[in-house]
Amino acid sequence: AQTVTQSQPEMSVQEAETVTLSCTYDTSENNYYLFWYKQPPSRQMILVIRQEAYKQQNATENRFSVNFQKAAKSFSLKISDSQLGDTAMYFCAFMKPTDSWGKLQFGAGTQVVVTP
Amino acid sequence: NAGVTQTPKFQVLKTGQSMTLQCAQDMNHNSMYWYRQDPGMGLRLIYYSASEGTTDKGEVPNGYNVSRLNKREFSLRLESAAPSQTSVYFCASREGLGIYNEQFFGPGTRLTVL
Repeated sequence: AQTVTQSQPEMSVQEAETVTLSCTYDTSENNYYLFWYKQPPSRQMILVIRQEAYKQQNATENRFSVNFQKAAKSFSLKISDSQLGDTAMYFCAFMKPTDSWGKLQFGAGTQVVVTP
Repeated sequence: NAGVTQTPKFQVLKTGQSMTLQCAQDMNHNSMYWYRQDPGMGLRLIYYSASEGTTDKGEVPNGYNVSRLNKREFSLRLESAAPSQTSVYFCASREGLGIYNEQFFGPGTRLTVL
């Protein structure tokens, strides 16, 4: 079974600064998919970024980027130029390719608070 | 497009009462999911429906039943609510199989069982 661990329950960052959220996972699979989801106070879950394990290049989406270290089973999220609207809970999630019907394994989440 | 809608947004039940959480999507998606979110545990899959007419258990199905009424609607039923079912429930939908298809989530239902 896979486990996803987010070791930082809460992080605070000032506007315009950079924050990095950590995520580690445990799997015996060689190929898999990793995701970061954002859940703002509205509770709406929003996909931020995804990474395919067979791709060496780290995914980026505007101010969001990941540092994927396959050997270390680490998948951190960097938020650059933080904005007040980035205040949210962030969840790391894992999916096996054999779970093509979409079973996501979520971590416990990291609360990010962006302060003026 | 409304996306994924859930009703009700909030509900308080007494132990032993029953209720049905409703979910509908207008994106013509084939797959639909029910999750629960508890503090410190992330989201856990209760049931899913890969396509109309099929349903399967997820990680935490005990105490729940589901119905895929048609392609649009996927309901979650608590037959005899227990305090352990106090949680926030999310419905999600996805176009179909394949890892590139994103799951779209509803706004959630906060359920309290006294």
